[in-house]
Amino acid sequence: AQTVTQSQPEMSVQEAETVTLSCTYDTSESDYYLFWYKQPPSRQMILVIRQEAYKQQNATENRFSVNFQKAAKSFSLKISDSQLGDAAMYFCAYSGGSNYKLTFGKGTLLTVNP
Amino acid sequence: DAGITQSPRYKITETGRQVTLMCHQTWSHSYMFWYRQDLGHGLRLIYYSAAADITDKGEVPDGYVVSRSKTENFPLTLESATRSQTSVYFCASSVGTGMGGYTFGSGTRLTVV
Repeated sequence: AQTVTQSQPEMSVQEAETVTLSCTYDTSESDYYLFWYKQPPSRQMILVIRQEAYKQQNATENRFSVNFQKAAKSFSLKISDSQLGDAAMYFCAYSGGSNYKLTFGKGTLLTVNP
Repeated sequence: DAGITQSPRYKITETGRQVTLMCHQTWSHSYMFWYRQDLGHGLRLIYYSAAADITDKGEVPDGYVVSRSKTENFPLTLESATRSQTSVYFCASSVGTGMGGYTFGSGTRLTVV
């Protein structure tokens, strides 16, 4: 079974600084997708960034980028120029196989200090 | 996202009662999912459906029942609610290409007293 591990239950960063959230996963699939979701206090699940496993190039969305290391099964999220609005719970998620289930990590609570 | 609606947003019920959480999507997505979110556990899959009349168990299905008679609806029923089922429940849908992404409802906070 696929598993997703987020080893940092909580992280904090100073406004305008950079922070990296860690995620590792386990799978026997060769083709899969990885996601980072943001959940603010409103509890809405917001897609931050996604990565296709067969693409070697790391995905980037404005201030958000990933470091995808397929061999190491690692998928970290880097947030540059952190803003107060980035404070939220962040979930790493995996999707692979034919049933398209999303498997989530336990989440990392990010605090942004002014 | 306006394409998937969950109701109710909040619900308080008593132990032993039957409760149904509703999920409706307007995207005609093939795949639909129910997750529960608990502190320290992230989101865990309860049930999923690949199409109308096709459902399958996820990681934590005990105590829950689903049906999917129409593509757009995927209700989740707690047959006899227990306090351990107090949680936030999310419905999600997907077109089924993985990269096509997933659309989440706003969640239902269920409290069983």
